Amino acid sequence: DIQMTQSPSTLSASVGDSVTITCRASQSFNDWVAWYQQKPGRAPTLLIYKTSILESGVPSRFSGSGSGTDFSLTINSLQPEDCATYYCQQYKDYSLAFGQGTKVEIK
Amino acid sequence: DVQLVESGGGLVKPGTSLRLSCTASGFTFDSYTMNWVRQAPGKGLEWVSAISTTGGYIYYADSVTGRFTISRDNAANLLYLHLNNLKDEDTAVYFCARGQAAVRGPLHFWGQGTRVTVSS
Repeated sequence: DIQMTQSPSTLSASVGDSVTITCRASQSFNDWVAWYQQKPGRAPTLLIYKTSILESGVPSRFSGSGSGTDFSLTINSLQPEDCATYYCQQYKDYSLAFGQGTKVEIK
Repeated sequence: DVQLVESGGGLVKPGTSLRLSCTASGFTFDSYTMNWVRQAPGKGLEWVSAISTTGGYIYYADSVTGRFTISRDNAANLLYLHLNNLKDEDTAVYFCARGQAAVRGPLHFWGQGTRVTVSS
């Protein structure tokens, strides 16, 4: 089973900053990574799939990249509404493992 | 609009059973793989189970294999999760989530979840 190790667990940045969250896979593969945003008390929402494809309606300040074992989510020009927990997920195999999550806070 | 509404959660004792339901609307239900994902209090997301469009392919997380059963009723646009022999560690909010036509894929839409609490 492919495991995803996500870092950092918490991230604090200022409005307007660019922030990056990373996920490292336990096996090498391409493409099959998604990123989700979850706000407190709410269901997750899909931000990015197939490593870099932006889900419809998601602001263009979100972007994804990566290959092999290293994948990342970048938020350019952080906004107050981006305060949330972010999760990566692999769908290369049917463990469909999520990363541990990264809580993004505004300074 | 796509809507997924979970129901059936509650407070139950260890060793007992529960059936969760997810009512789908706003899309062609039998064209999509459906999933259950759970989140224990204060913890991250854990994928639980998935079922293909016709039910011909079914997958489970190791943590629930042999205790949980996923099923679907395409005529009624319903997804189910039967939870048997419940343990304290099954306490979580259970989300149903729509995948895509392929058996493996990202989870494009999620319900708001139903809470299951296992406690003696």
